[in-house]
Amino acid sequence: EPEVTQTPSHQVTQMGQEVILRCVPISNHLYFYWYRQILGQKVEFLVSFYNNEISEKSEIFDDQFSVERPDGSNFTLKIRSTKLEDSAMYFCASTTWETQYFGPGTRLLVL
Amino acid sequence: ILNVEQSPQSLHVQEGDSTNFTCSFPSSNFYALHWYRWETAKSPEALFVMTLNGDEKKKGRISATLNTKEGYSYLYIKGSQPEDSATYLCAFTNTGNQFYFGTGTSLTVIP
Repeated sequence: EPEVTQTPSHQVTQMGQEVILRCVPISNHLYFYWYRQILGQKVEFLVSFYNNEISEKSEIFDDQFSVERPDGSNFTLKIRSTKLEDSAMYFCASTTWETQYFGPGTRLLVL
Repeated sequence: ILNVEQSPQSLHVQEGDSTNFTCSFPSSNFYALHWYRWETAKSPEALFVMTLNGDEKKKGRISATLNTKEGYSYLYIKGSQPEDSATYLCAFTNTGNQFYFGTGTSLTVIP
């Protein structure tokens, strides 16, 4: 069965460094999403992406964040200058219409 | 920020018991209500998507109902089994594109 994949599974970085989280959505899906979950808190929506552009973004998704679909396959989330509070589990999801399929997540730790 | 509430926060039931829990969401500008099952160390797995008032969906022993006028959905599990132990998340969308998650109900089924 097709699945959403994410790399890396874990990433440790220093505060102020740039990180790129990668996702490969299911191939015939049209909408792509990034979410994060800070430990002990709710899953939070970051951004949705459709037709090669951002369609919705939350207040969390500020200028430090960007998304790209560079090659029609990968869907990346870049955090330009990481802060301690960016430490979280980051989930990518994709959907054709309504049902979302989540990737396994990338655990990001900012030191 | 839209508020999606789930209750109870956690629940312990005996194997074989039936159980249900609630998701409350804003009733205005409703688009869809999603239920997910989230097992520890895995990513959320989509259970149901409901869009119409009065919708009922069923998957094996798990079923869900939707009331968009009053802004709630119930998830029912009939004859709970230990493998049903997980966190059950609901998410509300009002634009079809941005998801607002509840905090989840953590279910433990005791053998």
